[in-house]
Formats: sequence, C-alpha cells, structure tokens
Amino acid sequence: QSVLTQPPSVSGAPGQRVTISCTGSSSNIGAGYDVHWYQQLPGTAPKLLIYGNSNRPSGVPDRFSGSKSGTSASLAITGLQAEDEADYYCQSYDSSLTLVFGGGTKLTVL
Amino acid sequence: QLQLQESGPGLVKPSETLSLTCTVSGGSISSSSYYWGWIRQPPGKGLEWIGSIYYSGSTYYNPSLKSRVTISVDTSKNQFSLKLSSVTAADTAVYYCGGQSTSGVGWWFDPWGQGTLVTVSS
Repeated sequence: QSVLTQPPSVSGAPGQRVTISCTGSSSNIGAGYDVHWYQQLPGTAPKLLIYGNSNRPSGVPDRFSGSKSGTSASLAITGLQAEDEADYYCQSYDSSLTLVFGGGTKLTVL
Repeated sequence: QLQLQESGPGLVKPSETLSLTCTVSGGSISSSSYYWGWIRQPPGKGLEWIGSIYYSGSTYYNPSLKSRVTISVDTSKNQFSLKLSSVTAADTAVYYCGGQSTSGVGWWFDPWGQGTLVTVSS
C-alpha cells in the first residue's frame, strides 16, 4: 500500500487530454511538500517529468503540466501521443522523514 | 552532463548482503547541489526509496529498511554505495541510483542511473 494513491490505469486516444491524480495526506502533500512526477517507458529507468509541483525540466514538452491543491496533485497530458504510453509516478516527502512514491499509473494510448 | 551508473552482483544468496556501487560522472559527488539516493523497483511493481547520502557522509534511510541498510560515499572515487543485509526473495528488484535535488520543500531525483537487476536466490 503506497503512501501516495494513484489510479492504476488511465487511457486516452491520440490528441486527447488525460489527467493522473496523486492523493496524499496532511503528513506529505497536505503539509506543503512539493510533488514531483516521473515517466517510466517500458524497460527503462524513470525520468523526471515535473518537479516542484509544476516545473518542467529542460527538454520536457509543454504538453505535460502539473498542479497541486490541498492533499492532492495532478499530472495533465494534452495532445496525447503514442510515445506517451508509459508508467507515471508521483513522489513527495513525508513528515516521517521518508521520500514517498505513488503506486504508479499505466497510461494506455488507444 | 551528470551521469550515474550502478554496478554490482546480479545474484545474491538469501541471508547474505547485497552490495552495489553507483559511479558518478560528468560532475563531482562533492557538489553541494545534490544528495545521492538509492531507489528500488521489484519486478512489475512500483518504486521504493531506500535511502540517501550527502557527500559529507550524512545519511537518512527509509524507516522500513533502516535496520538493514548502510549507504556510504567515497569522494575520491566519485562513488557512493549501498549495502542491504539479510536479504530475502522480497529484496529482488531493479536497483537505481539517483542524484537528488531540493527546492527546500521537497526532494526529487534527476538524473537516474539505468538500473541494475539484483535477484535473491540460492
């Protein structure tokens, strides 16, 4: 059972917009700690997609955006492309002095 | 460009100690900008943070693994290492090392090593 809760799967057609939620608690996201997002393509290491709730590292397309409110955060992907099919993980910091991840969400492009 | 590479045995026997090293290239492990962390991913499952170290040797560990984990740093070799004792099949996973940055209200991992699969089996 992960500290941060994500839907196991989401799907969308090419060109559509999808969102992935990440729900935490008052000891992590709700305590004001930032949320970060990673994309893991099949057979590869995770790659940083969003840091500090809504910041994109250099090279990440602006189709990817992040937001945070209360005890939850969201990753939005617009203009869905076939190459976006991957696993997505949120991550934050918990007051128990632990770096915590969500369980991951598998994005399927229909 | 900072790059990380894990190395170590791919097979460890139950009850023994898993040992991995992460070599940092393209930058100094003594940079004040980074902590250095270990993360693992059991086959078909999600990510789990193991622990992290600063170049000064300051460490912090996942409480669920703390009793079995030791992370150390060798600044002369630009490397940091992971030791996980008394392993069982549940420790079978891909182990990643990562550079860990902060904004002051959180930590994130970038870059990541490519990962190395460690299987615990007799």
